[in-house]
Amino acid sequence: EIELTQSPGTLSLSPGERATLSCRASQSVDSKFFGWFQQKPGQPPRLLIYGTSSRATGIPDRFSGSGSGTDFTLTISRLEPGDFAVYYCLQYDKSPFTFGPGTKVEIK
Amino acid sequence: DVQLVESGGGVVQPGGSLRLSCAASGFTFRNYEMNWVRQAPGKGLEWLSYIDIVGKTIYYADSVKGRFTISRNNAKSSLYLQMNSLRTEDTAVYYCARDPSGTVSFDYWGQGTLVTVSS
Repeated sequence: EIELTQSPGTLSLSPGERATLSCRASQSVDSKFFGWFQQKPGQPPRLLIYGTSSRATGIPDRFSGSGSGTDFTLTISRLEPGDFAVYYCLQYDKSPFTFGPGTKVEIK
Repeated sequence: DVQLVESGGGVVQPGGSLRLSCAASGFTFRNYEMNWVRQAPGKGLEWLSYIDIVGKTIYYADSVKGRFTISRNNAKSSLYLQMNSLRTEDTAVYYCARDPSGTVSFDYWGQGTLVTVSS
């Protein structure tokens, strides 16, 4: 099973600041099958990024993804009030598919 | 619009069974792979199971293998999760998620249905 570790666990930032979220895999993941999700309280997750770096429909370009192998990054260039949420990474390369534990981006 | 609506959740005693359903609309269900994902109260996301478009390729997380069964009825545009031998740790919100295959995955999710396993 591929384990995903996300860091930091919590990121305290102000609106307008840049957020950099990390996800590390226990073994190499095909970058075509790696994604990021945003979840707000009481809502289902929303797909942000698929295939490591492709934005899902309707996702603004302040969200970007990068990485390869075992190290992946989600960057939010300028945080807006609606961006404060929990972010999860997911590998769907090999079964069992696995989510990271999440990074909470909170208002400083 | 794409819609996924889960149903079938509720309160069940340990050792009991439940069958969850996910009704799909707004897209051609038979062309999409599907997944079940759950989230225990205050916890993160846990992938549970995957099924391909014809129901032949199926995967499970180790935590539910042998207890849960995923299935689909393309004629009814519905996905199912039969859950047996339920444990208290199965208490969670259960989501279905669409999987277009290729590099896009989990692009649409339902609102979830709550399963509570308690005596």
